[in-house]
Amino acid sequence: AQSVAQPEDQVNVAEGNPLTVKCTYSVSGNPYLFWYVQYPNRGLQFLLKYITGDNLVKGSYGFEAEFNKSQTSFHLKKPSALVSDSALYFCAVRDIGGANNLFFGTGTRLTVIP
Amino acid sequence: ETGVTQTPRHLVMGMTNKKSLKCEQHLGHNAMYWYKQSAKKPLELMFVYSLEERVENNSVPSRFSPECPNSSHLFLHLHTLQPEDSALYLCASSSTTTLGGRSGNTIYFGEGSWLTVV
Repeated sequence: AQSVAQPEDQVNVAEGNPLTVKCTYSVSGNPYLFWYVQYPNRGLQFLLKYITGDNLVKGSYGFEAEFNKSQTSFHLKKPSALVSDSALYFCAVRDIGGANNLFFGTGTRLTVIP
Repeated sequence: ETGVTQTPRHLVMGMTNKKSLKCEQHLGHNAMYWYKQSAKKPLELMFVYSLEERVENNSVPSRFSPECPNSSHLFLHLHTLQPEDSALYLCASSSTTTLGGRSGNTIYFGEGSWLTVV
């Protein structure tokens, strides 16, 4: 069975500092992994995904994520946090069967402190 | 503008009412989804339509009834809901290359419909 774990409900980081939002996954076969961001009272916005190829994936708004197969992780990173990055971040994994639906983690709330 | 439009954005309904949520996608996709987002819980997949055929129904109560008249439109009909059904309902769409196959295609979400059942 596929699953995603986001071990931190809340991450606080000072503006200008690097940020990391953690995600680990469990899936049969090769994983398809995604990160989404949700701003207050909004839907989910796609940030980036890993399908195959380079383990370091670059996405929107300066975010990147590193796929680590041995640690089954896909942590989201940004070199320098902005206050506007404060939001709820979701990691997701694609399942094998069905019509391409995603399984989501419980989300991590990122707060960037000015 | 996300390419996936949901109406209404906010809905308050009584437990005996019948209402519908509407979703329209302008991305040329052929798969559409309903997700439920409740506080402190992972997003729950409710229904998936691929090529206008329902392929997933994750044991959702019958008081929720989906309808997909074409590849661009998706409805969620609501009747005799319970207060615990209050949540954010998210519509999404994607391309699907094969029915039942896994794809790296991205799922794009709408802004959501906030539902409150009183």
